[in-house]
Amino acid sequence: GQQLNQSPQSMFIQEGEDVSMNCTSSSIFNTWLWYKQDPGEGPVLLIALYKAGELTSNGRLTAQFGITRKDSFLNISASIPSDVGIYFCAGVDYNQGGKLIFGQGTELSVKP
Amino acid sequence: EAQVTQNPRYLITVTGKKLTVTCSQNMNHEYMSWYRQDPGLGLRQIYYSMNVEVTDKGDVPEGYKVSRKEKRNFPLILESPSPNQTSLYFCASSLWQGEGANVLTFGAGSRLTVL
Repeated sequence: GQQLNQSPQSMFIQEGEDVSMNCTSSSIFNTWLWYKQDPGEGPVLLIALYKAGELTSNGRLTAQFGITRKDSFLNISASIPSDVGIYFCAGVDYNQGGKLIFGQGTELSVKP
Repeated sequence: EAQVTQNPRYLITVTGKKLTVTCSQNMNHEYMSWYRQDPGLGLRQIYYSMNVEVTDKGDVPEGYKVSRKEKRNFPLILESPSPNQTSLYFCASSLWQGEGANVLTFGAGSRLTVL
């Protein structure tokens, strides 16, 4: 099935550093979502983006919906140990009836 | 609390022994879906349902069945489990129309091991 290209696959950073990850697709999406999965839990929605160019923040997290509608990025500022987990992007494919297409995930490790 | 509840959370079984993973949501969502998560493969959709009595195959439906007799429940059935179905399974639900449509809420996951 169709998938998004999410990068990087993993990151090892020091506490306090900023983090950036992104997703790209060959298809246009009308909605981009960013989820976080804590170890042993299900993904939880962080940010939803509905308009091209939209920039949305949620605390230390900032995400943008690319102008071309084929990409999105997520930034985390001043990382803390509880930011550890897997971050997934997802695009809503209305050509497939609103199906969510997921990126492969970015695994974030934060060293205190 | 709005949530998706899966059971069991952990299960070890043997090849060929039928099992069912239950999923229930209390948000009156029309859309429900099952995913499996495997290392390096991300989240792959198994089956989905757009409403009661309406189900369809996702990307990896082989070896699985589902049913949607009630809006709140969407059980995943493995008629004859095999070791390649060892995985972490997630149920998810969302509205189908209106504000918040397609934004999935996930359950906590069910880790299945087939010996």
